[in-house]
Amino acid sequence: DIQMTQSPSTLSASVGDRVTITCRASQSISGWLAWYQQKPGKAPKLLIYDASSLQSGVPSGFSGSGSGTEFTLTISSLQPDDFATYYCQQYNSYPYTFGQGTKLEIK
Amino acid sequence: QVQLVESGGGVVQPGRSLRLSCAASGFSFSSYGMHWVRQAPGKGLEWVAVISYDGSNKHYADFVKGRFTISRDISKKTLYLQMHTLRPEDTAVYYCAKANYYNAFDIWGLGTMVTVSS
Repeated sequence: DIQMTQSPSTLSASVGDRVTITCRASQSISGWLAWYQQKPGKAPKLLIYDASSLQSGVPSGFSGSGSGTEFTLTISSLQPDDFATYYCQQYNSYPYTFGQGTKLEIK
Repeated sequence: QVQLVESGGGVVQPGRSLRLSCAASGFSFSSYGMHWVRQAPGKGLEWVAVISYDGSNKHYADFVKGRFTISRDISKKTLYLQMHTLRPEDTAVYYCAKANYYNAFDIWGLGTMVTVSS
């Protein structure tokens, strides 16, 4: 199985900050990576697919990059609504696997 | 609008069975692969199973192989997850999710809670 490791596990930041979350795969997944945002008690929401494609309706302040085994999610200027938990997921091969999550907290 | 609505969760004793349903609307259900993902209380997301658009291919996470079965009824636009021999560690919110053309999960249901406890 492909292991997905996110860092950091928790990130404290302020409104207006630029933040980056990293996701590493235990083997190459090409560009088959998605990023999701989840708020407490809610279903996850797709932000980025194919490593860098912005899902329709997602603010342009979100961006993704990377290929192979290393990927990043960047939020260019944090908004109050962005404080949530973020997960990466590989869909290169079954079983699909998620990272353990990065909780983005208000500093 | 595009929507997935899960049902069938509840409290069940260890070793018993439960069937979850996921009703789809607002999109061509027969054109997309569908997945189940679960989330134990306070934990991260865990992929459970997938079924192809026509039901011909299925894959499962190792921890549910032989116990859970994914299926779909195109005519009813409904996805199912039949769960047998439930264990306390199966306690989680179970989400159904639609795969987009690239296999990322673009639509999620609200989830249904399954609690396995004596």
